[in-house]
Amino acid sequence: GAGVSQTPSNKVTEKGKYVELRCDPISGHTALYWYRQSLGQGPEFLIYFQGTGAADDSGLPNDRFFAVRPEGSVSTLKIQRTERGDSAVYLCASSLSYRNSPLHFGNGTRLTVT
Amino acid sequence: GQQVMQIPQYQHVQEGEDFTTYCNSSTTLSNIQWYKQRPGGHPVFLIQLVKSGEVKKQKRLTFQFGEAKKNSSLHITATQTTDVGTYFCAGNTGNQFYFGTGTSLTVIP
Repeated sequence: GAGVSQTPSNKVTEKGKYVELRCDPISGHTALYWYRQSLGQGPEFLIYFQGTGAADDSGLPNDRFFAVRPEGSVSTLKIQRTERGDSAVYLCASSLSYRNSPLHFGNGTRLTVT
Repeated sequence: GQQVMQIPQYQHVQEGEDFTTYCNSSTTLSNIQWYKQRPGGHPVFLIQLVKSGEVKKQKRLTFQFGEAKKNSSLHITATQTTDVGTYFCAGNTGNQFYFGTGTSLTVIP
C-alpha cells in the first residue's frame, strides 16, 4: 500500500524566505510526527499530532516554526524567516496510535537555506 | 530534558563478526523501539520492547530491554554486508519518541 508521502523531496530557499513542507500520512493513521535530522545525527523531535490537534509541540525550536493538520490527515510544517541553521532533512512519520505503534517514515524533505 | 545516548557512534567490523550497540536513557521509558536507516534512506522500524528485562530475537538480531527500563541493546550475530546502516533506538516516555544518537555500522567484506 501507499506509504508516507512528503513533498517536495528537495527545497532550496534563500535566508529569510518562508517555506512549507507537506506530509501525507498512511490512510487511517491518527498519529503524525515531524522530526528533523541533521547529517550524522538522530531524528530530533519537533511536534506530534493526534488527529487534528497538536498533542505535543515541545520540540519546535522557536516561534518561526509552526505545523498544522486541519483535517486530521495531511500536515504542513511551516517555517518563517528561514535561517541557514534550519538546513536539514525534515522527516514525517505516521502511526496507528501513539506509544505502542511503529512509526512509518516518509523519505523526507531536504531543506537547504542559502 | 529527555536524552537518549547510544554507543558506539561508529563501528567497523569484518563480515562474520558480531556487533552490539547500546542505548541509554536519562529517564525511565514506557517502551523502546529500534530502527535501521540505510545510507540515503529513512528510518525503518525493526522492533519494539515494552516489558522490563524483555528479550526478542529476529534471525541474527537480538534485542534486550533493561530491568530498569532505561537501557537497551541490539546485538547482531555474524554480520553480513546487508547489515550496513545506522541503528537508532527510540525511547518513549508518553507523548513522543526520542531518538538516540545512532550507531553507524560498516561491514567490511
